[in-house]
Amino acid sequence: DAKTTQPPSMDCAEGRAANLPCNHSTISGNEYVYWYRQIHSQGPQYIIHGLKNNETNEMASLIITEDRKSSTLILPHATLRDTAVYYCIVRHTGNQFYFGTGTSLTVIP
Amino acid sequence: DAMVIQNPRYQVTQFGKPVTLSCSQTLNHNVMYWYQQKSSQAPKLLFHYYDKDFNNEADTPDNFQSRRPNTSFCFLDIRSPGLGDAAMYLCATSRDAGSHQPQHFGDGTRLSIL
Repeated sequence: DAKTTQPPSMDCAEGRAANLPCNHSTISGNEYVYWYRQIHSQGPQYIIHGLKNNETNEMASLIITEDRKSSTLILPHATLRDTAVYYCIVRHTGNQFYFGTGTSLTVIP
Repeated sequence: DAMVIQNPRYQVTQFGKPVTLSCSQTLNHNVMYWYQQKSSQAPKLLFHYYDKDFNNEADTPDNFQSRRPNTSFCFLDIRSPGLGDAAMYLCATSRDAGSHQPQHFGDGTRLSIL
């Protein structure tokens, strides 16, 4: 299984871009990268996913390096409501999704 | 709205007394998952169903069982809960791996053991 490595915590000033890195150096050719976030006492919320091209939606942008060994989730204008734990997941070639330890993002007023 | 619903949100049981947690979905997804999440930890996959095909994770204790009577419902049975089983239990659904679509999660059931 491809493993992911994320920094345990990050801070970001409100209104600034939050850039959350993820390392997945053992990813294989057809495995997608997914990002979720979890606010305390709620289920994880899907944010974005991609294979090799950069992706953007209404919540965030996902930048995947050309060798696919790492990716960055970008929240362009962080708000206090973006304070959460962010998980980067590489989907197993079967149906399993395994969570790594995640990054606890704190948005500071 | 289509969603994943877990009932109840909070469940209290006694040490050793069997308990069942419920999950239903209106997304018509063919894969359903159960995760255990302990305080300050990431969700840990217990098992999943692909249609009626049950897939257990190698390190899931035998104390945990699951049933999926139809596409919409999935149950987590804990046969003899111990104090270490107190946790948030999350249900999720997805389409199969070939679709590359993400999971959808319920808001979880928080289980307490007395």
